[in-house]
Amino acid sequence: QTVVTQEPSLTVSPGGTVTLTCASSTGAVTSASSPNWFQQKPGQAPRALIYSTSNKHSWTPARFSGSLLGGKAALTLSGVQPEDEAEYYCLLRYDAVPWVFGGGTKLTVL
Amino acid sequence: EVQLMESGGGLVQPGGSLRLSCAASGFTFSNYWMTWVRQAPGKGLEWVANIKDDGSEKYYVDSVKGRFTISRDSAKSSLYLQMNSLGAEDTAVYYCARGTIAVAGLDHWGQGTLVTVSS
Repeated sequence: QTVVTQEPSLTVSPGGTVTLTCASSTGAVTSASSPNWFQQKPGQAPRALIYSTSNKHSWTPARFSGSLLGGKAALTLSGVQPEDEAEYYCLLRYDAVPWVFGGGTKLTVL
Repeated sequence: EVQLMESGGGLVQPGGSLRLSCAASGFTFSNYWMTWVRQAPGKGLEWVANIKDDGSEKYYVDSVKGRFTISRDSAKSSLYLQMNSLGAEDTAVYYCARGTIAVAGLDHWGQGTLVTVSS
């Protein structure tokens, strides 16, 4: 069973920078896994931020960026705003089981 | 504007069945893969099933194989999830989502419909 692991929680100060990561139990995450990132606030549906590792949707704020870092997928928030406090999920694509979500990272802006 | 609206959720007894629907608008439905994702209360997201744009390929997470069936009707721009033999572990908010071009991920999501399996 493939497991995708994210930091359970992170805290960042307003205006700061934070990097969330996404690791796969099958080995290094590559662009072939097409990492996606989603933001979810309490009581709301998830909102897509990043697809194919680093591509932004038209509505994705510029302060969000995606990359590969040390064998993991990464989401970096630069110049964090209070409204960025949310749960963040990554999604990886595999051959056998097409999609697996990470467990989520609760980001606190404090 | 792309819109996805789920319906069909509700309370069902263990072992029962339910059919979820997702009405799509604002885009050419037949050009996109579609996906169901669920979220148990207080838990994370779980991918459930994908269906190719023409309905010729379907994929499921192991825990629902043989019990759930994803389907689509392009004439009605609608996505469906037939759920049989439901158990308490299937209690969740079910979201439909649209695949991106080249199936590189998911872009638009519906607001979700709650399924509660309980006696």
